[in-house]
Amino acid sequence: EVQLVESGGGLVQPGGSLRLSCAASGFTFSGYWMTWVRQAPGKGLEWVANINQDGSEKYYVDSVKGRFTISRDNAKNSLHLQMNSLRPEDTAVYYCARAAPVISTSWWGYWGQGTLVTVSS
Amino acid sequence: DIVMTQSPDSLALSLGERATINCKSSQSVLYSSNNKNYLAWYQQKPGQPPKLLIYWASTRESGVPDRFSGSGAGTDFTLTISGLQAEDVAVYYCQQYYNIPPTFGQGTKVEIK
Repeated sequence: EVQLVESGGGLVQPGGSLRLSCAASGFTFSGYWMTWVRQAPGKGLEWVANINQDGSEKYYVDSVKGRFTISRDNAKNSLHLQMNSLRPEDTAVYYCARAAPVISTSWWGYWGQGTLVTVSS
Repeated sequence: DIVMTQSPDSLALSLGERATINCKSSQSVLYSSNNKNYLAWYQQKPGQPPKLLIYWASTRESGVPDRFSGSGAGTDFTLTISGLQAEDVAVYYCQQYYNIPPTFGQGTKVEIK
């Protein structure tokens, strides 16, 4: 059974940093593109970042470029999102999701339960 | 970026009625080389992550009830729920994966009248 479990969320002051993690199990982690998607309270879904199977390709939404870094550790079946210079508008539930096999831009068939990041003084 | 616009923002129907949700993209998401529409639909219930319903505009994900169907091509797409059930109360999102950044519609809230 595919499982994605996020951790690392919490309350942080504006300008601060957080590192989110996603523990993957039940599939060959190194074979899939992985994604972070966020959802601000009461709002819709927003794609944040993608990473390819070996970590050599990374893409970000414009609003987080230069502040967030997506990475993965295939030996530990884990996905990460390093978030620096956090802003109140980054407040959201952050979901880890698995892409469809092979293709880079795809739908996401498996999602974690999400971890809440709150940026506030 | 491709802008995805859903309509209506919300709808309230009686149990058993047909629900129709529309999604329009600001440019075509049909990839001519493989004749596939790069469009997915998700269902999200309160407090839960999104659940994939449909991909390639009309391919139902395994385990999704056949009352859910997707149609459309190019820039105009529809998610239909044939025979609304109480458990279908949720917000529904379309998403294009034609290019980066992948983008979502704003969501359509479905309620029971």
